[in-house]
Amino acid sequence: EAGVTQSPTHLIKTRGQQATLRCSPISGHTSVYWYQQALGLGLQFLLWYDEGEERNRGNFPPRFSGRQFPNYSSELNVNALELEDSALYLCASSLLSYTEAFFGQGTRLTVV
Amino acid sequence: RKEVEQDPGPFNVPEGATVAFNCTYSNSASQSFFWYRQDCRKEPKLLMSVYSSGNEDGRFTAQLNRASQYISLLIRDSKLSDSATYLCVVSSAYSGAGSYQLTFGKGTKLSVIP
Repeated sequence: EAGVTQSPTHLIKTRGQQATLRCSPISGHTSVYWYQQALGLGLQFLLWYDEGEERNRGNFPPRFSGRQFPNYSSELNVNALELEDSALYLCASSLLSYTEAFFGQGTRLTVV
Repeated sequence: RKEVEQDPGPFNVPEGATVAFNCTYSNSASQSFFWYRQDCRKEPKLLMSVYSSGNEDGRFTAQLNRASQYISLLIRDSKLSDSATYLCVVSSAYSGAGSYQLTFGKGTKLSVIP
């Protein structure tokens, strides 16, 4: 069975551009989480989708947005990129909102 | 009080040592509890779920104390390969019945020294 897949694995953008990151959850999983992890730091919660709806978002500006599609895959969009947005962006999925989550390998975003 | 709190460490221990990590959580309605392990520049991976009765997996033992809202992870006979960051994760009720959100602690870094 395929795990959580994220694309692209690496992304280089210039300041001010927009980035789109994609996540395909494990088949059957309906909950998707997005996290940002800057180098050497802990996971920062970005967004949580469950059954197609945004359930919660972390303390990030509105230029961080996303959505979950009917097939439960998800997209994270970051507008007006800033240098500080350079980080590893991790997506995780869980079968139910209270069960363990499994992570993808992440998208490493570099803003230059 | 943060939702999930862990001692950030780092914990530097010699091979063969026993090391314990602690985690506290603030939401008394929390449903599920987990420990994850994250290697440098990699994604977190599930280490073990934590059950009310406590559970063991080889050298790893997890305990849950709901009354004190406290979770622990004990690693016996530490190996060099145990060096990683250990994340405490709690699933807490969120906005309505039947909806829970996973919340990650910031992690505790462990370095096992030869």
